Amino acid sequence: DAGVIQSPRHEVTEMGQEVTLRCKPISGHNSLFWYRQTMMRGLELLIYFNNNVPIDDSGMPEDRFSAKMPNASFSTLKIQPSEPRDSAVYFCASSWGAGRYEVQFFGPGTRLTVL
Amino acid sequence: GENVEQHPSTLSVQEGDSAVIKCTYSDSASNYFPWYKQELGKRPQLIIDIRSNVGEKKDQRIAVTLNKTAKHFSLHITETQPEDSAVYFCAANASGGSYIPTFGRGTSLIVHP
Repeated sequence: DAGVIQSPRHEVTEMGQEVTLRCKPISGHNSLFWYRQTMMRGLELLIYFNNNVPIDDSGMPEDRFSAKMPNASFSTLKIQPSEPRDSAVYFCASSWGAGRYEVQFFGPGTRLTVL
Repeated sequence: GENVEQHPSTLSVQEGDSAVIKCTYSDSASNYFPWYKQELGKRPQLIIDIRSNVGEKKDQRIAVTLNKTAKHFSLHITETQPEDSAVYFCAANASGGSYIPTFGRGTSLIVHP
């Protein structure tokens, strides 16, 4: 298995543009997490899906952020319009289930820079 | 919800020394505590974890201890090597329906040769 796959690995865009980040979880995993990592705030959970259904989106900063999981093998995180303060590394992670002792497997991350 | 505090934020040691990173948590119902290592420019990866029914777990040079009464857990690295240099994150999985981990802010460990 190739592990969690994210694309693009790097994204540079201008303020106001739409940004779409993509994630393919490990095959067979049914929980998916989107995180944002910055020096100031550390690793923040944005949203959590289980069986393609959003379970907890309390970490989504504002309406400019949206996430979807149309099927078990694909998820997107969209920022529209993007702002410079959205610059961060965005990680997608997946786990086998939603159980008590689940280990999360992280993707390589997308480094987003908004100018 | 769960709150995880991690200290220190930066730790600098000489090669061969031991390193200890400490975390506290707030939710007494938390029962699973993983530790992740993130090398520069890489993804976080699990290095060791402990469940609430044990007090200590070892894996070669790393060990984790858990004190449920005090609600704190620690990562111990012995005989540190330069390749141990990384950011280490602790986490606590609270109960309550969804076992979503809450991460600490991370500790940047620097091992000087």
